[in-house]
Amino acid sequence: DQQVKQNSPSLSVQEGRISILNCDYTNSMFDYFLWYKKYPAEGPTFLISISSIKDKNEDGRFTVFLNKSAKHLSLHIVPSQPGDSAVYFCAASFNAGNMLTFGGGTRLMVKP
Amino acid sequence: EPEVTQTPSHQVTQMGQEVILRCVPISNHLYFYWYRQILGQKVEFLVSFYNNEISEKSEIFDDQFSVERPDGSNFTLKIRSTKLEDSAMYFCASSPRDRARSPLHFGNGTRLTVT
Repeated sequence: DQQVKQNSPSLSVQEGRISILNCDYTNSMFDYFLWYKKYPAEGPTFLISISSIKDKNEDGRFTVFLNKSAKHLSLHIVPSQPGDSAVYFCAASFNAGNMLTFGGGTRLMVKP
Repeated sequence: EPEVTQTPSHQVTQMGQEVILRCVPISNHLYFYWYRQILGQKVEFLVSFYNNEISEKSEIFDDQFSVERPDGSNFTLKIRSTKLEDSAMYFCASSPRDRARSPLHFGNGTRLTVT
């Protein structure tokens, strides 16, 4: 099942710089997209989301961009902080429900 | 901030045994979910539950699985006869509405090890 794919298993960024995490999907029926953050030994925590009718959503240091024609979304974190070091999952849903299809995750490491 | 709590944090069981994973969702939430993550794989949806009924379930959620809300606070996942491939981290989640705009609140998970 490769409906949602995160091609980069890991990403290392210097503190203060921008982190860009990418996600691709194949099913055009997905209409809502979310990013979750996960620390070790904890459950995923909701970060930010976007509806398919938008192409950008911003919340503080976090911005999600959606390119429907390319079936691609990205999460930008500016500026990156060491506390942002975690695994980031993108997820997609049909009919904006909570039955989510997750990507495989990208481990972000922010170096001081 | 209210939390979803799961017990136990780690469960070891022998193949063929029944196991019950327990969750206490956030108190004013109405929708409950189980997801799982096999080591090294994606987080996968298992089942959603509302008003004492299963709303949706995935292909993974076969007859060996069941869910129950035995009282006003607990939400349980039972695996009747565990298999080696059931070894995974199981996450319970809850939401006030079954809408992605009301994102899921996940518990910290129960690691199930089937030997």
